[in-house]
Amino acid sequence: QKEVEQNSGPLSVPEGAIASLNCTYSDRGSQSFFWYRQYSGKSPELIMSIYSNGDKEDGRFTAQLNKASQYVSLLIRDSQPSDSATYLCAVNPSNYQLIWGAGTKLIIKP
Amino acid sequence: NAGVMQNPRHLVRRRGQEARLRCSPMKGHSHVYWYRQLPEEGLKFMVYLQKENIIDESGMPKERFSAEFPKEGPSILRIQQVVRGDSAAYFCASSSGEGKPQHFGDGTRLSIL
Repeated sequence: QKEVEQNSGPLSVPEGAIASLNCTYSDRGSQSFFWYRQYSGKSPELIMSIYSNGDKEDGRFTAQLNKASQYVSLLIRDSQPSDSATYLCAVNPSNYQLIWGAGTKLIIKP
Repeated sequence: NAGVMQNPRHLVRRRGQEARLRCSPMKGHSHVYWYRQLPEEGLKFMVYLQKENIIDESGMPKERFSAEFPKEGPSILRIQQVVRGDSAAYFCASSSGEGKPQHFGDGTRLSIL
């Protein structure tokens, strides 16, 4: 069964520090990887997509993909209280359906 | 507004009534997904549709739930004879193709009295 695993947290990070969120997946044939942010009571919002090994940077966010080790991570630099949310990892295996992790709750402490 | 549009935002029904949730995908998107989320829990996939076709309904309960995406108009998630356990947030997402990022609507919060 295809799975995506995330530490549920909460992960507590001081303001201004780097927050590191990790995700592992079981389907070695997975091709597309996504990070979503979900604030409490709101819908998930796409923040990063990554398709090839290595790093992809967008502002304060960096997604890292290692297909050999089957993990994808999200780094948030200069963490702000507004980054406090649940971060969802989604993986697209060889078919059409995204497989979702349960999410990691991130708390940025002022 | 070019985003995914869901309505209503909030829906209250009494046990035994029917609930109809609507979703208009982003412009140019022909793939629609429905998810359910309980408070403090993850997203649970329900059904994946393309125009006039149900591609995968493996996450949808066999009874009382149905979904459609007609040639014209929005996608509809229909829940018949609602029960208290149907209370949840229902999210619709759309994408431009398989494997492409999904973009979410604001959701419909369904409450069953």
